Amino acid sequence: EVQMVQSGAVVKKPGESLRISCKGSGYNFPIYWINWVRQMPGKGLEWMGRIDPSDSYTDYSPSFQGHVTISVDKAISTAYLQWSRLQASDTAMYYCVRPRLHGDNGALDYWGPGSLLTVSS
Amino acid sequence: DIQMTQSPSSLSASVGDRVTITCQASQYINNYLNWYHQKAGKAPQLLIYDASNLETGVPSRFSGSGSGTDFTFTISSLQPEDIGTYYCQQYDNIPFTFGGGTKVEIK
Repeated sequence: EVQMVQSGAVVKKPGESLRISCKGSGYNFPIYWINWVRQMPGKGLEWMGRIDPSDSYTDYSPSFQGHVTISVDKAISTAYLQWSRLQASDTAMYYCVRPRLHGDNGALDYWGPGSLLTVSS
Repeated sequence: DIQMTQSPSSLSASVGDRVTITCQASQYINNYLNWYHQKAGKAPQLLIYDASNLETGVPSRFSGSGSGTDFTFTISSLQPEDIGTYYCQQYDNIPFTFGGGTKVEIK
């Protein structure tokens, strides 16, 4: 069974750094991209970017480029989303998602439960 | 970025009603269009991929059609468990983009 297990809810202060994680299991981790999707409170879905675990190649949405970093450790089947300086506007639920097919595919099929980030002074 | 315009933003219908949601892309996206359902407090679920293909395990009352720039999502007979928000999403170009969502309620 494919599972995406995400790190838990976290509360941080503005200016702090953070890395959240997403561990994939039940499938051949290196051959499926991992996507990250943001959902701000009461709002819609926003695609942030994705990473190819086989070679760590990344694509970012221009809206998030430079503000977050997506990385992966394929040895432990885990992808990461990282901030160096959090802002209050980063408060949101963050989902990691595996596509339906391996390779370059955008049908987002296996969603993690989400990691809730609250940034508040 | 490709803009995805979804309508309506909300609707209220009775159990058994036929429900239709539309999604228009700002440029040609072939059939690289997916539909998702999100229940309150839960992660989204993929229902339809590549405009018209039903994901495994998804009830047949859900369907999708369209190609190019104009797409339609239909629930043939609305059920109580169908409440929530529906999103379209294109993956023809990076960045992938979602429509604004359609909130479906039971009348």
